[in-house]
Amino acid sequence: AQSVSQHNHHVILSEAASLELGCNYSYGGTVNLFWYVQYPGQHLQLLLKYFSGDPLVKGIKGFEAEFIKSKFSFNLRKPSVQWSDTAEYFCAVNVAGGYQKVTFGIGTKLQVIP
Amino acid sequence: GAVVSQHPSWVICKSGTSVKIECRSLDFQATTMFWYRQFPKQSLMLMATSNEGSKATYEQGVEKDKFLINHASLTLSTLTVTSAHPEDSSFYICSARPLERTPLHFGNGTRLTVT
Repeated sequence: AQSVSQHNHHVILSEAASLELGCNYSYGGTVNLFWYVQYPGQHLQLLLKYFSGDPLVKGIKGFEAEFIKSKFSFNLRKPSVQWSDTAEYFCAVNVAGGYQKVTFGIGTKLQVIP
Repeated sequence: GAVVSQHPSWVICKSGTSVKIECRSLDFQATTMFWYRQFPKQSLMLMATSNEGSKATYEQGVEKDKFLINHASLTLSTLTVTSAHPEDSSFYICSARPLERTPLHFGNGTRLTVT
């Protein structure tokens, strides 16, 4: 079964700082990878996804993530965070093909200080 | 597009009663919906996969007689927490995807408090 590890549980940054949130998964086969975001009081929303092709994927709001297969990683990055990026971020993985279940990481709370 | 609606947003009930949570896909049909549970400071844990017209598939450790799932139509799945106990208090979230190989879309979640 697949699993997901997010190493940073709580991150505090000042505005304009750069962000990198780590995500590693365990599964030997082909996977689909996702980053979801949950803003305070709102539901989970998709930030970006990787299914195949270019391992560097760009999402909404200036976020990007890089899939490094050899490291089983899918780290989320943003060059310059804003106060509005304060939210909880979840990395997720599912085995490619079919309506396979999605497994989530524990989440990282990001707090951006103005 | 791809909106998932969940109702109610929050519910308080007494121990021993049952609570029903609805999950609807508003602008797409979903033969499969997923029910997750989120404990404070923990990840979303998949409880079960709801399959339209057939029995739900429960994850290991989830009591199927306690968490009844019904997926009666292509746009509606319900989760009924039967004989609720305080330890069932949690945040329940449903999700669905319009097509294979597309990301999940989530409902707003239901915060259940059992007193």
